[in-house]
Amino acid sequence: KAGVTQTPRYLIKTRGQQVTLSCSPISGHRSVSWYQQTPGQGLQFLFEYFSETQRNKGNFPGRFSGRQFSNSRSEMNVSTLELGDSALYLCASSLDGEVPEAFFGQGTRLTVV
Amino acid sequence: EDQVTQSPEALRLQEGESSSLNCSYTVSGLRGLFWYRQDPGKGPEFLFTLYSAGEEKEKERLKATLTKKESFLHITAPKPEDSATYLCAVRGSSGGYQKVTFGTGTKLQVIP
Repeated sequence: KAGVTQTPRYLIKTRGQQVTLSCSPISGHRSVSWYQQTPGQGLQFLFEYFSETQRNKGNFPGRFSGRQFSNSRSEMNVSTLELGDSALYLCASSLDGEVPEAFFGQGTRLTVV
Repeated sequence: EDQVTQSPEALRLQEGESSSLNCSYTVSGLRGLFWYRQDPGKGPEFLFTLYSAGEEKEKERLKATLTKKESFLHITAPKPEDSATYLCAVRGSSGGYQKVTFGTGTKLQVIP
């Protein structure tokens, strides 16, 4: 059974650019959540999607957005990148959202220069 | 605002030396408390979910317990392969939204 797949694994962007990260959940899972992990702040919740609808969201600025497609794959977009956006971005999938953080991907390491 | 505090920040144990990790929390409308294990360079690996005070869950050498204010992860006779960062998180409900708040983790090192 394939796990949660995040692409790309590593990304370097310039301040002011935008970036799109992708997450393919485990087959059959309908809930996808996104997190930002930094050494200083730890894991912080960005948002959760369930059946193509944003169900929950954290306290991040509007530059951070996401969407989920009918096949449950999800994308996260960050516009007007800032140096402080450098982090490991993790996505997690769950069958029905009861334990939405059940399975995490390896993450995308974003570096903003 | 929901808060999760984990202690200690780091713990070094000899193989076979049992200990406990602490997770103190404040949350609006607890919808679950989660424990994860994270190895360097990898995403967190789910261990347990606890929903109500008095609940306990076990898996191999790990046992998680929950009270109204804190959770403990007990590690019995740890092995070097138990070395990892252990994360605690709570899912709370407020204003129609649910939000997950993580602690900053306890880095466990088990020495042979």
